[in-house]
Amino acid sequence: SAVISQKPSRDICQRGTSLTIQCQVDSQVTMMFWYRQQPGQSLTLIATANQGSEATYESGFVIDKFPISRPNLTFSTLTVSNMSPEDSSIYLCSVGLAGTYEQYFGPGTRLTVT
Amino acid sequence: DAKTTQPPSMDCAEGRAANLPCNHSTISGNEYVYWYRQIHSQGPQYIIHGLKNNETNEMASLIITEDRKSSTLILPHATLRDTAVYYCIATHSGGYQKVTFGIGTKLQVIP
Repeated sequence: SAVISQKPSRDICQRGTSLTIQCQVDSQVTMMFWYRQQPGQSLTLIATANQGSEATYESGFVIDKFPISRPNLTFSTLTVSNMSPEDSSIYLCSVGLAGTYEQYFGPGTRLTVT
Repeated sequence: DAKTTQPPSMDCAEGRAANLPCNHSTISGNEYVYWYRQIHSQGPQYIIHGLKNNETNEMASLIITEDRKSSTLILPHATLRDTAVYYCIATHSGGYQKVTFGIGTKLQVIP
């Protein structure tokens, strides 16, 4: 299994600012994923982040808005740039482990943009 | 990933078995059926997965029909802590592949 922590757990930000969310895993992993969950909605994949390569973004998400870093096998960051109230969501990271079938999710970062 | 269809909500009495259905009529031969759940304000949690045989673990049982077009997740003795949104997902591999979440079923366990 994997234990995932995220920082911050929640934040309230002003329109036009940026927030960087950190995801830390207790073991080395190849694949990391970032999801968004808007209020009352299901999870939507933002991007896949592999160590040593550029993140792969899903349709509707762009690097300028959601830049991702993956400096090593245990850590990743997602930045939400130039925020608007529509970015108010829970942001979650997840990982897949070699030899297992399931994904493990972090507790999420609850972002409110005013 | 194959499309899955689940009822939007269900109720279950505490202590009784909760049977959550999922339809995946277009599932391909090498796609697994996965179940995750999301308790309020937490990240999703893996429950169980299967290919074509029925599976059981400490959390639940998964019954897959012979034609693999539908499945049922069974929580044998539901508790209040099982109140959550349950997601059924059909995918080639849940570990290294991105997971596409649908709407899920909101299970309310009633005292």
